[in-house]
Amino acid sequence: AQRVTQPEKLLSVFKGAPVELKCNYSYSGSPELFWYVQYSRQRLQLLLRHISRESIKGFTADLNKGETSFHLKKPFAQEEDSAMYYCALSANTGANSKLTFGKGITLSVRP
Amino acid sequence: DTGVSQDPRHKITKRGQNVTFRCDPISEHNRLYWYRQTLGQGPEFLTYFQNEAQLEKSRLLSDRFSAERPKGSFSTLEIQRTEQGDSAMYLCASSSPGHVYNEQFFGPGTRLTVL
Repeated sequence: AQRVTQPEKLLSVFKGAPVELKCNYSYSGSPELFWYVQYSRQRLQLLLRHISRESIKGFTADLNKGETSFHLKKPFAQEEDSAMYYCALSANTGANSKLTFGKGITLSVRP
Repeated sequence: DTGVSQDPRHKITKRGQNVTFRCDPISEHNRLYWYRQTLGQGPEFLTYFQNEAQLEKSRLLSDRFSAERPKGSFSTLEIQRTEQGDSAMYLCASSSPGHVYNEQFFGPGTRLTVL
């Protein structure tokens, strides 16, 4: 069975402060990890994925297989980063790449 | 093509009634997923189609739920004899095996309220 844990429900920081959104996973195979974001009144959208090793909107996430973690980081938060963030895992064992999501965390960036 | 669309966006029904939701995926996407999201939770997988074939169903999908994708394009999700516990946001997503990393694109969701 696969599981994604986001231990915090809310993170509130001031503009310019560093941000780290935690994500831990449980899966016996080799998973694909993603971060999805949902801005106010918008649909869920992909932010980044571990396999591409990219930085999107200043966010990065490194897959740590030893700690089974995939924390999302940004050195300097902006007000427009305020949103709901979900960590997700795909087992990728064939055609069905269904996603298992964590409960999500609300990031609030204050001016 | 403006992305995945879902209809209706909101549905209020009385307990015991049947409801049907529609999802129109991005046109070239042959994979289609349904998820359900309740308050304070992340989306939970319900079922998956590749073209018109329903290849996997979650244990969350009770006998009252049925999903179809008759021509491999749009999909419908029907809930029979709705219960208050069915109140949730129902999300549809689509993807293409040819797309980079098989990214799933989500629709805006249908919010169901069962009174």
